[in-house]
Amino acid sequence: GAGVSQTPSNKVTEKGKYVELRCDPISGHTALYWYRQSLGQGPEFLIYFQGTGAADDSGLPNDRFFAVRPEGSVSTLKIQRTERGDSAVYLCASSPSTGGGTGELFFGEGSRLTVL
Amino acid sequence: AQSVAQPEDQVNVAEGNPLTVKCTYSVSGNPYLFWYVQYPNRGLQFLLKYITGDNLVKGSYGFEAEFNKSQTSFHLKKPSALVSDSALYFCAVREDTDKLIFGTGTRLQVFP
Repeated sequence: GAGVSQTPSNKVTEKGKYVELRCDPISGHTALYWYRQSLGQGPEFLIYFQGTGAADDSGLPNDRFFAVRPEGSVSTLKIQRTERGDSAVYLCASSPSTGGGTGELFFGEGSRLTVL
Repeated sequence: AQSVAQPEDQVNVAEGNPLTVKCTYSVSGNPYLFWYVQYPNRGLQFLLKYITGDNLVKGSYGFEAEFNKSQTSFHLKKPSALVSDSALYFCAVREDTDKLIFGTGTRLQVFP
């Protein structure tokens, strides 16, 4: 498809387990974003990539969260030692903008993570 | 740091009536302002944006928004609401970085 693809769409895990969430952006988009949306809240910024490098990771809540984008396309958000408070919908977005911030973001449908 | 506020958790309007969803922003420089809509079990969809120029911005599905610098507002409007407009609406702002900051959202309910 032509849109942002996120897998899995749903993930149920147990407290303490490791989780990986994958994002496949729109082809050619250089910027990639991860957000987290809890029930009844707006999307909360986690990290932003420009190409392969993390341009801003100020939103990652702690060192259990890590994200990579090794070839400048697909990105993986990794969560270690999951906690019940990590339960949320994790949104990925991409943008063709290379700077200046004027371009809109194109979002995937999200990965819903439930930590039991 | 930039931020946006959406003072209404929910807006109710009758079909055919005009609607307004409010947003105010706080930045230290020039703001880039956006509206997104989220339908149930769907991803966020871009509606419109203000970068520079005309204060009245027109977007998708008949929506428009008015940038007001003196009131630091960017309210979303539509002249005639449809039941299908019922969804969750998010205002967002960027300042000098590419980080997009979202508000808490306003649920729009349009009644037939």
